[in-house]
Amino acid sequence: DAKTTQPNSMESNEEEPVHLPCNHSTISGTDYIHWYRQLPSQGPEYVIHGLTSNVNNRMASLAIAEDRKSSTLILHRATLRDAAVYYCILRGGGADGLTFGKGTHLIIQP
Amino acid sequence: GAGVSQSPRYKVAKRGQDVALRCDPISGHVSLFWYQQALGQGPEFLTYFQNEAQLDKSGLPSDRFFAERPEGSVSTLKIQRTQQEDSAVYLCASSLGLTSGGADTQYFGPGTRLTVL
Repeated sequence: DAKTTQPNSMESNEEEPVHLPCNHSTISGTDYIHWYRQLPSQGPEYVIHGLTSNVNNRMASLAIAEDRKSSTLILHRATLRDAAVYYCILRGGGADGLTFGKGTHLIIQP
Repeated sequence: GAGVSQSPRYKVAKRGQDVALRCDPISGHVSLFWYQQALGQGPEFLTYFQNEAQLDKSGLPSDRFFAERPEGSVSTLKIQRTQQEDSAVYLCASSLGLTSGGADTQYFGPGTRLTVL
């Protein structure tokens, strides 16, 4: 799977929007962009995924650049429960394992 | 519905002991994955099953690690002659196994924390 680059950490205030960036300049045409998050002492949790178009679900929104070389996970109104490590992962056509990087440690201030 | 469950949640083993970690995937999920997560790191892929077939075991760190899924449902990860470097959280995930693999999403269990003394 192609490599992704994320900031090591980000900090935001409760009830404010959070924009988590991810660069994936070597993405291929068939790679999906997935986001997972891992809360403390829990297994990773699926957040959202997309291919080309922006996506919305109850947890978050995913904005994908037109050239697909970057994407942004948007939490519209952060809560303390959103404090977690967020992983941006590219998935090709094969149904194989996920390649997690170091992710972004999101800190939410009350 | 029920998610992925793993047991035990915590396991302490003496160096040299064998351990067996169990994973119950979501009912009907074709694919099952095992990951190892060291402290402060992201999960690392170990092995993958499609039904009972182990299609990829490239991430298993040594021949002391063995995984099986004999009936295509429950899976067991076995570690023989445990060593201190095996201490980690072992995560199991399952997915529908969509033919468009890139769109397939994985659902993770809570993990088993293994401590080898």
